[in-house]
Amino acid sequence: LAKTTQPISMDSYEGQEVNITCSHNNIATNDYITWYQQFPSQGPRFIIQGYKTKVTNEVASLFIPADRKSSTLSLPRVSLSDTAVYYCLVGVMDTGRRALTFGSGTRLQVQP
Amino acid sequence: EAGVVQSPRYKIIEKKQPVAFWCNPISGHNTLYWYLQNLGQGPELLIRYENEEAVDDSQLPKDRFSAERLKGVDSTLKIQPAELGDSAVYLCASSLDSYNEQFFGPGTRLTVL
Repeated sequence: LAKTTQPISMDSYEGQEVNITCSHNNIATNDYITWYQQFPSQGPRFIIQGYKTKVTNEVASLFIPADRKSSTLSLPRVSLSDTAVYYCLVGVMDTGRRALTFGSGTRLQVQP
Repeated sequence: EAGVVQSPRYKIIEKKQPVAFWCNPISGHNTLYWYLQNLGQGPELLIRYENEEAVDDSQLPKDRFSAERLKGVDSTLKIQPAELGDSAVYLCASSLDSYNEQFFGPGTRLTVL
């Protein structure tokens, strides 16, 4: 199955900007790139979605280069409550069919 | 607005026993997903429904897993017989369509002894 890769973990301090990158070489032509946040014992929660260039909402920004083979989630001024696991989700082409694929997740630890 | 509802939240069974999970999606959401999530890993899609039709079940182990979504609303995922390696969290999600954001339920944590 085609891989969607992310760094395993990241550390940050309160108030800093955090950027998490996801690589998805085989993204399907018409697919969006979506990022989710997950806390322990909960289901993932939607953060942001984009198709190309840059998307910004009240909690994050998403940067997507022209070739769409990667994407970067940017969290401005993180707080302790942003400590969680972050996943990218894309549709990738695998043996001719579209397969919805989550990344392996990036565990973000925010310290005071 | 109620979110995605799953039951039970926790289930402990012995291997070779059957088990079933239930999911009620958000009203009006045509697409329903079942995922499996192992500890420390991302969710893995088991099956995706568009209304009552299973449009992607390529990762569903069909020898022991089955699912249904009667009337295109709630859904049931069944394992029979369960194996030790089936211990995981089973997540249900729904969305307006397969390109929109997914809303996840809290999951069912299955432990097979």
